[in-house]
Amino acid sequence: GQQLNQSPQSMFIQEGEDVSMNCTSSSIFNTWLWYKQDPGEGPVLLIALYKAGELTSNGRLTAQFGITRKDSFLNISASIPSDVGIYFCAGHNAGNMLTFGGGTRLMVKT
Amino acid sequence: DTGVSQDPRHKITKRGQNVTFRCDPISEHNRLYWYRQTLGQGPEFLTYFQNEAQLEKSRLLSDRFSAERPKGSFSTLEIQRTEQGDSAMYLCASRSQINYGYTFGSGTRLTVV
Repeated sequence: GQQLNQSPQSMFIQEGEDVSMNCTSSSIFNTWLWYKQDPGEGPVLLIALYKAGELTSNGRLTAQFGITRKDSFLNISASIPSDVGIYFCAGHNAGNMLTFGGGTRLMVKT
Repeated sequence: DTGVSQDPRHKITKRGQNVTFRCDPISEHNRLYWYRQTLGQGPEFLTYFQNEAQLEKSRLLSDRFSAERPKGSFSTLEIQRTEQGDSAMYLCASRSQINYGYTFGSGTRLTVV
């Protein structure tokens, strides 16, 4: 079946640093979504990408939909303590479901 | 609109018991999804409704699992004869027909002892 590979699996960063994480797939997706999940809560949508090559920002977050439609990255600039959490990429295609990656756990050193 | 609501937030049950979870989607969303998430993993698709019709089911959804959306509004997910392997977070999500920004609820954490 379809699989999304996220990297890194986890990372520690210093407050104020920029963060980059990415997601690759063996299959093409028509839509890429990035979610953040806090402990004990459901995922919250951060950014949705609908076109290959699209670059979209949401505050300190920037995400891009890869040209091949098989990858996406998420950047967080000037990280702050509340950025701690698990970030998931998810791909959507005509199959009417989201396929999620395994997540990147972000931990911030204060 | 208060988003997607799930009830209960937590459920502890003995192995072999039946449990039922409820999801209330965003009112104008005609599509509703159930996902399961185990510790350290991303959510995995279980089933999908468009209005009241259940259109797709994952192979993860064994015959002990059943989901309904009787009037195209709220949905229930029932697990019969629970097993320890059913322990997970069960997430509900909804979206509109034209927007792929799925909105998730806070989930129901099931622990089977």
